[in-house]
Amino acid sequence: GQQVMQIPQYQHVQEGEDFTTYCNSSTTLSNIQWYKQRPGGHPVFLIQLVKSGEVKKQKRLTFQFGEAKKNSSLHITATQTTDVGTYFCAGTLYSGAGSYQLTFGKGTKLSVIP
Amino acid sequence: DAGVTQSPTHLIKTRGQHVTLRCSPISGHKSVSWYQQVLGQGPQFIFQYYEKEERGRGNFPDRFSARQFPNYSSELNVNALLLGDSALYLCASSFPSAGTGELFFGEGSRLTVL
Repeated sequence: GQQVMQIPQYQHVQEGEDFTTYCNSSTTLSNIQWYKQRPGGHPVFLIQLVKSGEVKKQKRLTFQFGEAKKNSSLHITATQTTDVGTYFCAGTLYSGAGSYQLTFGKGTKLSVIP
Repeated sequence: DAGVTQSPTHLIKTRGQHVTLRCSPISGHKSVSWYQQVLGQGPQFIFQYYEKEERGRGNFPDRFSARQFPNYSSELNVNALLLGDSALYLCASSFPSAGTGELFFGEGSRLTVL
C-alpha cells in the first residue's frame, strides 16, 4: 500500500535556529497536505500543495512539493517556542471510484529550547 | 461556529467489549473521515464517508465499521476490542466534496482498552 515516510522523527533546536522536515512517498501523489499537532491537541491544517515543484510560504514557514510529486519539505526559519509540536505531512492518492485516501507520515516532533 | 465535535472524549473498555464513537461535522460539511492515532504515530485512515456512502476504507479489520446519517453525523463502531485498539480516534470533516480538501479534525475520543 501507499507509504509516506517522514524524517527526522525528532528535532531539538535552539530558539532562533532553522528547522526542516522531509516527506517522501513511494507513489506519485495527487497533492500533499501539512498539519501541525500541539501536545495533547488535534492535527490542524497548515497548507496543501498540488502542483509539481510548487513552493508556498506562510510567514516563517516554507513548503515545497517535489517535481515528481513524490516528496515534500517544510522549513521553518528562526524557530520560536510557539512552533513546538509535531508536524505531519499527508499525501493524497486517488484510490478509484471517486475515492481519495489521505496517508499521514509518522510526523516530526519539534522541540524548541528557549 | 462550532467545529467538529466528538463524543465521548475519554472512555475505558475491557477486551472483548464493543464501543461506539460519535462525530458531528462542521455545518455544511458532507464528508466525514475517521482516523486512529496511536501514541507517537501519525493518524491512520480508517474510513471516509460522503453523502452517507462509504468512499474509502483503510487497512483495518472487519471489527471496525462506520456509518453516516442523513444529518451527516457519523458513528464509528469497534467490536471485540483488543488491547491494541487503545488509541486516539479522530474524526475529520471536509467541504465540499469527498475529494482532497482541507480536513478539520475534532478533539478526538481517547479509548483505553484494559
